Amino acid sequence: GAVVSQHPSRVICKSGTSVKIECRSLDFQATTMFWYRQFPKQSLMLMATSNEGSKATYEQGVEKDKFLINHASLTLSTLTVTSAHPEDSSFYICSAREGSSSGNTIYFGEGSWLTVV
Amino acid sequence: AQRVTQPEKLLSVFKGAPVELKCNYSYSGSPELFWYVQYSRQRLQLLLRHISRESIKGFTADLNKGETSFHLKKPFAQEEDSAMYYCALNTDKLIFGTGTRLQVFP
Repeated sequence: GAVVSQHPSRVICKSGTSVKIECRSLDFQATTMFWYRQFPKQSLMLMATSNEGSKATYEQGVEKDKFLINHASLTLSTLTVTSAHPEDSSFYICSAREGSSSGNTIYFGEGSWLTVV
Repeated sequence: AQRVTQPEKLLSVFKGAPVELKCNYSYSGSPELFWYVQYSRQRLQLLLRHISRESIKGFTADLNKGETSFHLKKPFAQEEDSAMYYCALNTDKLIFGTGTRLQVFP
């Protein structure tokens, strides 16, 4: 089946620095990618919807200046956590929708653990 | 408002027992619903979708528009079914419920 890859799988950064997480669809084109955040033992919280070639759509309460999303190609979206703080430590998951139809299957990356120290 | 509710955080059963994981949704349009599963230390993966009306790993789920439910069922649970299960509603984005942890004891 289709594969979505995230990199890095684990990252530790110092408070105040920025960190970038990549999400790639390896064998399909993804017009739309989604970024989620998951706290321990909690559900996935949608942060933003990333559309190739246009600005991301952020969910209410998500700071777009803090969580910069770029979807420059049909196979790559990046999430940059700027000026990271310990409370940003979390599990970040991306997903990608195959093709452009809203009914198409969505595939998930393996997730990235971010620890801000 | 678009919302998915999974009322049970944890469901524990013995092997061979029937399982039903509840999911209710709120959506004004025509719903498209999914069940996703996350095994320990693995990525989230699609278990089944209501439009395909298929049985995966012995699990089935029927969309009941009258009750706005999409409960996941399996007649005989197996130990390897132990995982987190998420119900999700697809609009222009995928909205997840809070998840139910299924524990199947031997």
